[in-house]
Formats: sequence, C-alpha cells, structure tokens
Amino acid sequence: DTEVTQTPKHLVMGMTNKKSLKCEQHMGHRAMYWYKQKAKKPPELMFVYSYEKLSINESVPSRFSPECPNSSLLNLHLHALQPEDSALYLCASSQTGVSYNEQFFGPGTRLTVL
Amino acid sequence: QKEVEQDPGPLSVPEGAIVSLNCTYSNSAFQYFMWYRQYSRKGPELLMYTYSSGNKEDGRFTAQVDKSSKYISLFIRDSQPSDSATYLCAMSGGGKSTFGDGTTLTVKP
Repeated sequence: DTEVTQTPKHLVMGMTNKKSLKCEQHMGHRAMYWYKQKAKKPPELMFVYSYEKLSINESVPSRFSPECPNSSLLNLHLHALQPEDSALYLCASSQTGVSYNEQFFGPGTRLTVL
Repeated sequence: QKEVEQDPGPLSVPEGAIVSLNCTYSNSAFQYFMWYRQYSRKGPELLMYTYSSGNKEDGRFTAQVDKSSKYISLFIRDSQPSDSATYLCAMSGGGKSTFGDGTTLTVKP
C-alpha cells in the first residue's frame, strides 16, 4: 500500500457543527502533516506529527484540533468553524520524521463551511 | 517580499513542446528543492526533488538547481495533454519549507 487516504472526500458543515477529518497511511511513515489549501494558492502547513507527537503547530486557531491515535492515523477535529475556513485540507506523510523533501500527499478533503 | 517567487501563468503550449517552469528564492538555508504536480481538485504529487545544486532527470522531466543564482527550473520534454496541471515548486531547509504559488500549464492537442 503506497498511498495516503483521506475521508471524507467532501464535507459541508455549519458553523456550530463538530466534525472530523481522517487520514490514513500504511507505508510505515513516521511523520504526518495537515495542510490547508485555498483555491489557486499553495498548501499552507498547519500541523506536523513526528513519531506520534505534535512537532509543529503553525499558530492554527483552536477551532482546529489535531490528533494522532497511532502511527498510521491522523485526525483533524473541527468545531465552530468560520466560512473562511472553507478549503481543501490535505494530509501528507514522510518516511523518517519531519522531512519536507519526500512527502506523499493524500487527495484531500474539500470542506465547505456554511 | 515572498521567500519563493513563481510565475502563476497561465502557460499554454502545443503538444510536443518543451516546457520550462521556474522559481526564484531568497532564503540561503534552502537545501532541498522539489517539484509537485497538482491536477484540479487533487492533492499534490511529488515529481522529483534535488539536493543542493545540479541537475536531475526522470523520463521527460529534468530539474535544475542553481544555488548561486537562487534559481530552479523544471523542464518537460515532449509535453502531453496529460501534463496539463498546476506545477508547484517547494523548498526546504533550516527547519522550514515553503511552496511557490504554482504555475498553471495547459498542453493543447
């Protein structure tokens, strides 16, 4: 298995909802990342987990809460989001700790906040 | 001023043309230089990466890095309609990574 999977593919939520995004990889990679990408813009790093510990938090608002239950799984819990949070949320992984030069990206979850 | 500058295009070429995509950067700490391809509504796909200066070839793709000029390029030979996508350069080093804004390429049959 050489891919990163993300569910759901699409998500529409209201500003008072609580939802979660899920990311999974079975490549034995030890670092996992969350990125946010707005239309026609590059991905922006949000969080990095290295060996299941939160390594980097790029000053992301607390309405986004990451969780890494095990080395293969990464979640992003969403609560009280704003319409400007609508974007493509990308998960990525890399083999040996934080390494930006060989990241594998998932297909993303397209989030719309109403 | 952005750390990485990439011409957003759009760039339109006929099938079979040689395509040149470029980025410039300002951070001397960058050591790894990556090129990603992103199809519409999909995640980025790593095409290739280069460490420090030099050239790297993979099939129809060639990446070049000139650290003295802080300039990187991706060349696509014999371009195909399936190459139509947004190409993102990215760089890392000194504990950080930055993407360019991406160049949208269309290859017309």
